[in-house]
Amino acid sequence: QKEVEQNSGPLSVPEGAIASLNCTYSDRVSQSFFWYRQYSGKSPELIMSIYSNGDKEDGRFTAQLNKASQYVSLLIRDSQPSDSATYLCAVDDSNYQLIWGAGTKLIIKP
Amino acid sequence: KAGVTQTPRYLIKTRGQQVTLSCSPISGHRSVSWYQQTPGQGLQFLFEYFSETQRNKGNFPGRFSGRQFSNSRSEMNVSTLELGDSALYLCASSLKDGAAGYTFGSGTRLTVV
Repeated sequence: QKEVEQNSGPLSVPEGAIASLNCTYSDRVSQSFFWYRQYSGKSPELIMSIYSNGDKEDGRFTAQLNKASQYVSLLIRDSQPSDSATYLCAVDDSNYQLIWGAGTKLIIKP
Repeated sequence: KAGVTQTPRYLIKTRGQQVTLSCSPISGHRSVSWYQQTPGQGLQFLFEYFSETQRNKGNFPGRFSGRQFSNSRSEMNVSTLELGDSALYLCASSLKDGAAGYTFGSGTRLTVV
């Protein structure tokens, strides 16, 4: 069974600090990896996608992928209270389906 | 550019009834997926459609069904509703597959009483 694992948190980070979110996956053939942000009562919003090993930066967000270790991470620099949300890691199973982690609840403390 | 539109936003149904949910994808998107989200199970895949064909289906009972029309709009139907079907039902669309990620609609909150 294909699985995606995330620490459910909550992860509490002071405002202005770096938030580090982690995810591991079980399917070695996966090629596409995503981070979604979900505010309470809202639907998931795609914030980062990554396909090859290494880092990918977009503004304050950096996604990191290590296929050998089957590990994906998301760094949020200069964390803001508006970043408080649940962050969902999703992996494309190459069969038109995303496999989801349970999500990490992130709390940014002012 | 309009996003993914789901209707209705909220539904209250009685056990044993059936329900139909609707999803209009982003213009030009031909892949539509449906997910169920509950606090206990997280996001669970229901099915995915492309060009009116179901390409994959999740592990849900046959009471859950869906279809896609020629204009890429999609519907899902749940028959003989059970209390456990109470959930947020999310529709997501992409151009042709999930390789570039999916864009989600606002969801339909279904409550079964």
